[in-house]
Amino acid sequence: DSGVTQTPKHLITATGQRVTLRCSPRSGDLSVYWYQQSLDQGLQFLIHYYNGEERAKGNILERFSAQQFPDLHSELNLSSLELGDSALYFCASSVWASGGADTQYFGPGTRLTVL
Amino acid sequence: GQQLNQSPQSMFIQEGEDVSMNCTSSSIFNTWLWYKQDPGEGPVLLIALYKAGELTSNGRLTAQFGITRKDSFLNISASIPSDVGIYFCAGQGGSEKLVFGKGTKLTVNP
Repeated sequence: DSGVTQTPKHLITATGQRVTLRCSPRSGDLSVYWYQQSLDQGLQFLIHYYNGEERAKGNILERFSAQQFPDLHSELNLSSLELGDSALYFCASSVWASGGADTQYFGPGTRLTVL
Repeated sequence: GQQLNQSPQSMFIQEGEDVSMNCTSSSIFNTWLWYKQDPGEGPVLLIALYKAGELTSNGRLTAQFGITRKDSFLNISASIPSDVGIYFCAGQGGSEKLVFGKGTKLTVNP
């Protein structure tokens, strides 16, 4: 158990819909990262938040957005869903120190299926 | 952008054999991480490497951070059936984001 929790574990929805995925980082971790894992693309970094502020963006679509709340949990919002958005979505957390190495611990993931 | 080449793509070995896999990058990384992922689960951190030349062990696992900072390898000694899974390398450069290899799928025959 990494200490990172994600809900829901599974999500099935239809094209055009909007969903929210939730992540709670390990106790004491200030950084939350979101990743998408699909069969053909592997693990892709989406976005990083540190202590409530966006720090880095990766391959995140404009239809996707995220935020980190004062209690440090994070939500990833996916809208106007398409079939190709079906994937595993992971969040990871770390204690991110400026200029230092950063070890990320992953949650169990949310499996999103868009029908 | 940064890319990682991880090899081999898959391995089929007998229980008790040693395993070696590696990752190479077109650019320099400051951190190398090795993860194992079981089906339907999140990646689990196995070993983290923070300095060029660093050699770190975790039980039967040993990983090294290449001197050039563009490569890393992971060795598993005396493999057992529970070693089955997909192993990912990940590198971190100047930015905070991790770049992942495509994974090595390991199958261990009892």
